[in-house]
Amino acid sequence: GAVVSQHPSRVICKSGTSVKIECRSLDFQATTMFWYRQFPKQSLMLMATSNEGSKATYEQGVEKDKFLINHASLTLSTLTVTSAHPEDSSFYICSAIGESSYNEQFFGPGTRLTVL
Amino acid sequence: RKEVEQDPGPFNVPEGATVAFNCTYSNSASQSFFWYRQDCRKEPKLLMSVYSSGNEDGRFTAQLNRASQYISLLIRDSKLSDSATYLCVVNWDSNYQLIWGAGTKLIIKP
Repeated sequence: GAVVSQHPSRVICKSGTSVKIECRSLDFQATTMFWYRQFPKQSLMLMATSNEGSKATYEQGVEKDKFLINHASLTLSTLTVTSAHPEDSSFYICSAIGESSYNEQFFGPGTRLTVL
Repeated sequence: RKEVEQDPGPFNVPEGATVAFNCTYSNSASQSFFWYRQDCRKEPKLLMSVYSSGNEDGRFTAQLNRASQYISLLIRDSKLSDSATYLCVVNWDSNYQLIWGAGTKLIIKP
């Protein structure tokens, strides 16, 4: 099956710093990538949808200036959490769909962000 | 009303037993349905896509009931390794957005 990687898998940072998370599709070209956030014991919450070469579409309540998404190529999307605060601590997961998949999303392993 | 609802559980089931859980969805125009499995602190992994006629994969059977707007997952001869959270996922429009249920926690006991 298609493989999606995320880096880093875990990051701890101080409040006020920015953190960049990378999401890569390793063996396919991802026309669309999604960024999710999952708090403990809760479901995945979609943050934004990004299509290669265009601006991301953010879900209601997600600050686009705080969560910067760049989808510069068909295999890479990045999420930057700017001026992170403790309430941003969460599990961030990306997913990708390729041209040949039908509504099936392939997930990255996730990034656990802890903001001190 | 939540768009996708699941019983959070946990379902405590002895090894070897059969367990089933349902997921209801609110949008009758929903087109695609999936069951994902998520282990603790890991990303979700696709377990099954749910087709209109239902489908079976080994010990797992998924069914769709459009009239009552629910999908079900049946696990037969449960194994300890089946312990996980099972997430119901629904897509109801032409884009690829998925709406996720909060998950049902399953614990298989020896």
